[in-house]
Amino acid sequence: QVQLVQSGAEVKKPGASVKVSCKTSGYIFPVYYLHWVRQAPGQGLEWMGRINPDAGGIDYAQKFQGRVTMTRDKSISTAYMELSGLTFDDTAVYYCARDGFPNGWPLDSWGQGTLVTVSS
Amino acid sequence: QSALTQPASVSGSPGQSITISCTGTTDDVGRYNFVSWYQQHPGKAPKLMIYDVTKRPSGVSDRFSGSKSGNTASLTISGLLAEDESDYYCSSYAINYSLIFGGGTKLTVL
Repeated sequence: QVQLVQSGAEVKKPGASVKVSCKTSGYIFPVYYLHWVRQAPGQGLEWMGRINPDAGGIDYAQKFQGRVTMTRDKSISTAYMELSGLTFDDTAVYYCARDGFPNGWPLDSWGQGTLVTVSS
Repeated sequence: QSALTQPASVSGSPGQSITISCTGTTDDVGRYNFVSWYQQHPGKAPKLMIYDVTKRPSGVSDRFSGSKSGNTASLTISGLLAEDESDYYCSSYAINYSLIFGGGTKLTVL
C-alpha cells in the first residue's frame, strides 16, 4: 500500500532552517508529484508547493518563494522540504502528500505530519 | 491569493443531510473543475473525500457528494453518522500553478 513516512518533530530557534523528509513506498516514486502542506496550531491547511520527483521541476506558493527549497532523491524514493529564516509563525505541522490523479492536484495520500516548533 | 471561504461550522442530527459551501473566485473555483474536499479528524492527516468537483476516490462512502455552481462548490453529506463529525476543507487548483485551500468547516453531529 502507498505510504509516506515523514521525519520526526523538530524544535528550532528563530532565524534557523529546518529540513523535513518524506520517504515514500508502495508506488512508483517518479510518477506522482509530491506536495507540501502546513497547518499552524488550530488553523487551516496552507499549500507550500510541489515537486516533480522525476524531472525535479518545482512550483512554489508565492508566499514561500525565496524561503523554501524542495528536493528529492530518486534513489531512495524520498522528498525533502527545507524552510529557512524561521519565525514563530512557522510553528506548524508540515505534511507531504501525493498528487494521485492526472489533473487538478487532488492529494490522495498523506504523510503523518512533522511538527516544527520555533521557539527561542 | 486569499483562502477559499467556508462556513466556520455546520451541524446536523444523525440521519440528516448537511451541505458545506466553498466560495472562491474566477481564478480558481470558477475557472476549473478541480475542487477537492478533505476530511480531517483531530490530530490526523487529511483524507481525500471528493476530487474533480464530483468524483469519489475508491473506498469513500457514496453518502458524500460534491457539486459546483459558478464560483461556489459544495460538499453534501447525507445520512449523517456520528463518525462524520470532523473538520472539512475544500481546495481548488488556481491560476499560476497553485493550490488554494478553504479555511475549514467544523461539522458537529448533534
